[in-house]
Amino acid sequence: QSALTQPPSVSGSPGQSVTVSCTGTYSSVGAYNYVSWYQQRPGKAPKLMIYDVSKRPSGVPDRFSGSKSGNTASLTISGLQPEDEADYYCCSYTGSYIRVFGGGTKLTVL
Amino acid sequence: QVQLQESGPGLVKPSETLSLTCTVSGDSSSSYYWSWIRQSAGEGLEWIGRISHSGTTEYNPSLKSRVTMTLDTSKNQFSLKLTSVTATDTAVYYCVRESIGPWLGNWFDPWGQGILVTVSS
Repeated sequence: QSALTQPPSVSGSPGQSVTVSCTGTYSSVGAYNYVSWYQQRPGKAPKLMIYDVSKRPSGVPDRFSGSKSGNTASLTISGLQPEDEADYYCCSYTGSYIRVFGGGTKLTVL
Repeated sequence: QVQLQESGPGLVKPSETLSLTCTVSGDSSSSYYWSWIRQSAGEGLEWIGRISHSGTTEYNPSLKSRVTMTLDTSKNQFSLKLTSVTATDTAVYYCVRESIGPWLGNWFDPWGQGILVTVSS
């Protein structure tokens, strides 16, 4: 059982927007703006997509955005493209230098 | 460009010690940390722990009693030892660079390609 809760799956058609949620507690997501998101394609290592809730590393398309409200962080992908199909994981700092991950969400592009 | 590469045995017997090494190229900065993260088949990601450039370590409380991480700066390598392994330790193990704090941000990047370690007799 993961410390952060994500929906097992989400789906959308090309061009649409989808949002993946990540729910923690007042001591993890709610307490720190240190949520990051990772994309993992089959057989590959995860790739950093968003950090510190809403910051995008260079090279990540601006179709990817992040936000947070209370104990829930969200990753939104707009203008969905076939290559966005992957698993997405959130990660949060929890204090005491510990990081925890969500269980992952499988994004299907219909 | 920073690159990380895991190495070590792909098969470990139950009750023995899992030992992995990560070789880092392209990064000599002391601003970051070096972490291990694992992923069981069909499961999510689990942070195992980290080591700083000075050798300070922090471990996941759930694994702390069995984990040791070390650093060899002369070889640009850091290592993981996990003792008394069981089948539940079977996973893909990743070594990753980690950034911590408000100035550089909080993230894991890049990741090594990962190494599958199976615990079986």
